[in-house]
Amino acid sequence: NAGVMQNPRHLVRRRGQEARLRCSPMKGHSHVYWYRQLPEEGLKFMVYLQKENIIDESGMPKERFSAEFPKEGPSILRIQQVVRGDSAAYFCASSPGQGVLEQYFGPGTRLTVT
Amino acid sequence: GENVEQHPSTLSVQEGDSAVIKCTYSDSASNYFPWYKQELGKGPQLIIDIRSNVGEKKDQRIAVTLNKTAKHFSLHITETQPEDSAVYFCAASPNSGGYQKVTFGTGTKLQVIP
Repeated sequence: NAGVMQNPRHLVRRRGQEARLRCSPMKGHSHVYWYRQLPEEGLKFMVYLQKENIIDESGMPKERFSAEFPKEGPSILRIQQVVRGDSAAYFCASSPGQGVLEQYFGPGTRLTVT
Repeated sequence: GENVEQHPSTLSVQEGDSAVIKCTYSDSASNYFPWYKQELGKGPQLIIDIRSNVGEKKDQRIAVTLNKTAKHFSLHITETQPEDSAVYFCAASPNSGGYQKVTFGTGTKLQVIP
């Protein structure tokens, strides 16, 4: 079984550019979570999505950040007009839902803003 | 919201010795407590978890204990090996409207000295 896939693994953007991070959940998983990890810190919840729906975006900054999980294709985390403070590792996790509690993480995308 | 504290932040043990990592949580509604291992440059890997209806769970060399009254839980690794060296994260999660919103601790960097 393929695990959670994220791409790109590394992304370098200049200040003001847009960053687009993609996450393909495990087969059969319809729930996706995005987390941000700053260096030497734990993971912080950003957003929780099911297919075509944002369920909880309480951890996501209201400006410049958006997320989607379309009916077809991967989940996308989009950061517009990036700033140096956006530099971090962004992880997505997936779960099958239906009462299953475990979340399985992808390898992450390391975003560097220069 | 939930707040998870984790100690120690770093831990060095001799190969073969035991390692113990402790966490406390604040939200009495939390009912799911996963532990993740993160190796350098990789995503977190679920290694063991415990639900609130049990006090202890064991899987080979790792065990977790949960004290709901005191709101603390611990990870025990016995007979440590060099490949156990990694950063370990505890997490706590209440069921929020049908899904698990996970709050992570700040991590423990475990070094096993051969």
